[in-house]
Amino acid sequence: SAVISQKPSRDICQRGTSLTIQCQVDSQVTMMFWYRQQPGQSLTLIATANQGSEATYESGFVIDKFPISRPNLTFSTLTVSNMSPEDSSIYLCSAKSGQGAGIYSGNTIYFGEGSWLTVV
Amino acid sequence: EDKVVQSPLSLVVHEGDTVTLNCSYEVTNFRSLLWYKQEKKAPTFLFMLTSSGIEKKSGRLSSILDKKELFSILNITATQTGDSAVYLCAVQNNAGNMLTFGGGTRLMVKP
Repeated sequence: SAVISQKPSRDICQRGTSLTIQCQVDSQVTMMFWYRQQPGQSLTLIATANQGSEATYESGFVIDKFPISRPNLTFSTLTVSNMSPEDSSIYLCSAKSGQGAGIYSGNTIYFGEGSWLTVV
Repeated sequence: EDKVVQSPLSLVVHEGDTVTLNCSYEVTNFRSLLWYKQEKKAPTFLFMLTSSGIEKKSGRLSSILDKKELFSILNITATQTGDSAVYLCAVQNNAGNMLTFGGGTRLMVKP
């Protein structure tokens, strides 16, 4: 079955440092997204990762803090820059394909396993 | 602004009980409503609902959508301890790209 893989799955980071999370989808998808889930909270969309161009950020999120790359249809990275304890969250990659059959068919959005970052 | 509200916030039941989780929404250009189960990190997909009155069913779980009253329910019958999780409801707008999530319902099933 198709898989969305993220790494690292978990990390403890020093404040002021930056960390890049990778997301790999094992089939081509039309859309990739990055969500954040702070402790005890629901999921909030950070941005849509656009292939070959700048990501589209939601209100409250900026490129300088959360630079995103998507060099091809199956891979994206999210960097959390200059981290502070408030950035301690689970970061989730998700993907959607608007066509075809299988797990990515239709408009359902699926999620990777998440990357749990703790900033100390 | 799209909005999704889930209730109750949390629920504790015993094995064998039946539970009903609620999700109400306000969304511009509604396309679909999705239910996810989140146990540890990744939400896992349960159902996608697009039409009113058509029940989706998977084993002991079922869900239905009311587009007139703008809500959905998720039913779990004969609950098991493995059903303990946070259940998330999300709505998708017509662009089909982003999801707006509710706050989730935390379900605990005791033996």
